[in-house]
Amino acid sequence: GQQVMQIPQYQHVQEGEDFTTYCNSSTTLSNIQWYKQRPGGHPVFLIQLVKSGEVKKQKRLTFQFGEAKKNSSLHITATQTTDVGTYFCAGLFSDSNYQLIWGAGTKLIIKP
Amino acid sequence: KAGVTQTPRYLIKTRGQQVTLSCSPISGHRSVSWYQQTPGQGLQFLFEYFSETQRNKGNFPGRFSGRQFSNSRSEMNVSTLELGDSALYLCASSFRSPGLKTSGANVLTFGAGSRLTVL
Repeated sequence: GQQVMQIPQYQHVQEGEDFTTYCNSSTTLSNIQWYKQRPGGHPVFLIQLVKSGEVKKQKRLTFQFGEAKKNSSLHITATQTTDVGTYFCAGLFSDSNYQLIWGAGTKLIIKP
Repeated sequence: KAGVTQTPRYLIKTRGQQVTLSCSPISGHRSVSWYQQTPGQGLQFLFEYFSETQRNKGNFPGRFSGRQFSNSRSEMNVSTLELGDSALYLCASSFRSPGLKTSGANVLTFGAGSRLTVL
């Protein structure tokens, strides 16, 4: 079946350093969504990417969708303590009855 | 507008019992999905309902079931509880409907979850 692979599982950074998480699929995605889950919270939608090669920015967050629509990344510049949490990607495949397929998530941990 | 409401927020059960969790979606949302999340784990898809019909189902045993009512509210039931069923159960609603290809239709809004502990 379709899978979305997300790496790394964890990333430890010093506050102020950058953070990146990657999602990959073996088949073409219709679109990809990104969600953030704060510790003890629930996933909250961040953004959806639809077009090949699309790049979207939200303040310090940059989201990219690959040209082949098989990979995506989320990059956070100069992390802050408010960025702590788990970031999930979720891909939509057109032949999957439009069911979202979730990556395993990347947990962002800021070193004390 | 009100968000997705899940009840109860916390519950403790013992092995062998059953549990029913409830989810009220955002007004106007007709699709409801359920997910299981265990500590340190990702989101495991349980099932999705639209117009009182199950549209998608994940790889969970038959002890896990759900339904959706005409007002789009949904319930999920877990029978014969096992220790491994201890988890956060998340409900999410969306505008999604079969055949609807509006780009925003599939965006999920999650509830705060129901945290189930099985002793």
